[in-house]
Order: sequence, then C-alpha cells, then structure tokens
Amino acid sequence: AQKITQTQPGMFVQEKEAVTLDCTYDTSDQSYGLFWYKQPSSGEMIFLIYQGSYDEQNATEGRYSLNFQKARKSANLVISASQLGDSAMYFCAMREFSFSGGYNKLIFGAGTRLAVHP
Amino acid sequence: DTAVSQTPKYLVTQMGNDKSIKCEQNLGHDTMYWYKQDSKKFLKIMFSYNNKELIINETVPNRFSPKSPDKAHLNLHINSLELGDSAVYFCASSQASEGIREQYFGPGTRLTVT
Repeated sequence: AQKITQTQPGMFVQEKEAVTLDCTYDTSDQSYGLFWYKQPSSGEMIFLIYQGSYDEQNATEGRYSLNFQKARKSANLVISASQLGDSAMYFCAMREFSFSGGYNKLIFGAGTRLAVHP
Repeated sequence: DTAVSQTPKYLVTQMGNDKSIKCEQNLGHDTMYWYKQDSKKFLKIMFSYNNKELIINETVPNRFSPKSPDKAHLNLHINSLELGDSAVYFCASSQASEGIREQYFGPGTRLTVT
C-alpha cells in the first residue's frame, strides 16, 4: 500500500531564510506523482508544486522547489526566502491512479506545521 | 471564478440531525472527491465519483451518502450525526486520466456536532 511519511510535526524558520520540509513515500508503482499543499490558518488547501516520477528535473514554482530523490523515495519541499505568510501546515501527498476506476486519489502525510519568525 | 465551491462553509448542528454539504466544480473535470480532515489535521479520502458513478468508498459508515446529480456536482448527506463526525470536509476534483498534475480542492466545510 502507498504511504506518505512526514516526520516533522513542527518546524520554525527565521524570515528570509530557507527551510526544508521532509517527505518520504512508499510505493511499488513505477508511475506516480507527488504533491505539496499548503493549508494556512484560514483552512483552504492551496496547491504548491507537483513532481512526476518520470520527470527528469526537480520541480520548481517560484520560491518553492521539490528536492526529488527517487532512489531514497524522498520528495522534500524547499521554501527559499521564507516570508511571514508562509506560516501554515504543509502536506505532502501521493497520487494513486486507477485505470479501471478512473480516479486519482491522493494519499496524504500527517503534515508539518511551519512557523516563520520575524 | 471559483473552481471548486462548497456550501456551507460552516455547519453547526446537534447530534442525531441529518445534514448535507454541497459541492460544485466548473473545471469540466470527470472525477470528484470527498476528503475528511480530522481534529489532528489528518486528511483521508472518503468517496470519489467519476461521471456520476461511485468509484471509491473508503470504509465510511453508511450514515454518509454521497450523491452526484451530474459530473459537476457532488453532495454529501450525513444521517444521524455523531460527535465524531465533527471535522472539516473537503470536496476536490480532477481529470480522470493518469498523470494529472493537480487536484483542485474546495474551501472546506467545517462541521461541528454538539
């Protein structure tokens, strides 16, 4: 069964510094996708970044980058130049796709709460 | 232009009542989902519909009944509400094809059962 592990329940970082949020995964599928979502205190789920298992380059979206190490089954999120508005819960998720079912279900990790200090 | 919308945003009700949460997506996606986020922030899928057909039912009590009148709408009806049903319920949608690079979430409905 697919599994996502986020071992850091909480992290803090000084404003303007970079921070890495850890995510490891377990799957026997050759084709899979990894997502990061941000959930601020207002509660909505905001998509940040996606990495496909066959993508040759690490994904980047603005200040977000994904450090994808396939052999180690890790997909860590790196936030550069942290801002106060980055304080939130961050969830790593893996996509489980079913051809027969026609669905892409996301399996989430437990999340990491990031606090950015001024 | 809200991609995935849910109503209501907040729902406070007493044990034993029946309530519904509505979800609509205007992205033209084939597949819609309900996720539950518990008090510890853990997110887990409950149901998924593909073009009005139920395709995922993840060991959810049968007091929960999803209904999809068309592929743009997925509603969640909960009978005989219990304290443990208090959670945030998220609707989401995506294409049905492999290789999707995003699953879009609604704003969530915070259900409080007293």
